[in-house]
Amino acid sequence: DAKTTQPNSMESNEEEPVHLPCNHSTISGTDYIHWYRQLPSQGPEYVIHGLTSNVNNRMASLAIAEDRKSSTLILHRATLRDAAVYYCIRGSNMLTFGGGTRLMVKP
Amino acid sequence: EPEVTQTPSHQVTQMGQEVILRCVPISNHLYFYWYRQILGQKVEFLVSFYNNEISEKSEIFDDQFSVERPDGSNFTLKIRSTKLEDSAMYFCASRGDRSEVKPQHFGDGTRLSIL
Repeated sequence: DAKTTQPNSMESNEEEPVHLPCNHSTISGTDYIHWYRQLPSQGPEYVIHGLTSNVNNRMASLAIAEDRKSSTLILHRATLRDAAVYYCIRGSNMLTFGGGTRLMVKP
Repeated sequence: EPEVTQTPSHQVTQMGQEVILRCVPISNHLYFYWYRQILGQKVEFLVSFYNNEISEKSEIFDDQFSVERPDGSNFTLKIRSTKLEDSAMYFCASRGDRSEVKPQHFGDGTRLSIL
């Protein structure tokens, strides 16, 4: 049980921003929210994580709702290379992957 | 940037045979993991390993599976008597410490095909 809910798929145009939502309504106060992605024929790749505050890194931004029941991964300018399955995961030692969101990027 | 490397990239084995999948984690990492992904399905946790012992394992990780860190650099997953349903991608991952603030770094996997 991944305990997170994400849309199965989303589509974006190249060079446009993408907002990938995730619901985690039963998250505990100490669970981090992690995002990984899996490009075709590759292993999962860490994207970003956060606890309460919004976070930015070179790959993406993470916006966390004030009640922590949802979060949004933001890719500021999608490229073709960003086409992947994106996983939102509640933190623990072992990662529990759900089905993720398959992001398709159109040129 | 340091990487987790896995060998071989593709392993074909007859049903009932033993198979060993090899991983070289990032050198200063302390926590090691195996996951698998059956074609078209989710990535599933198998086992975590720390300080030369298993720290957590899933229901999938039964007596047919074992892990070992034989020489301080390699981390191996052994399946003693393979079954058709063991066909999957197997991913190794490592983490610097157990803290959630440290990400897990994954290799690109070994595709195991059981005939």
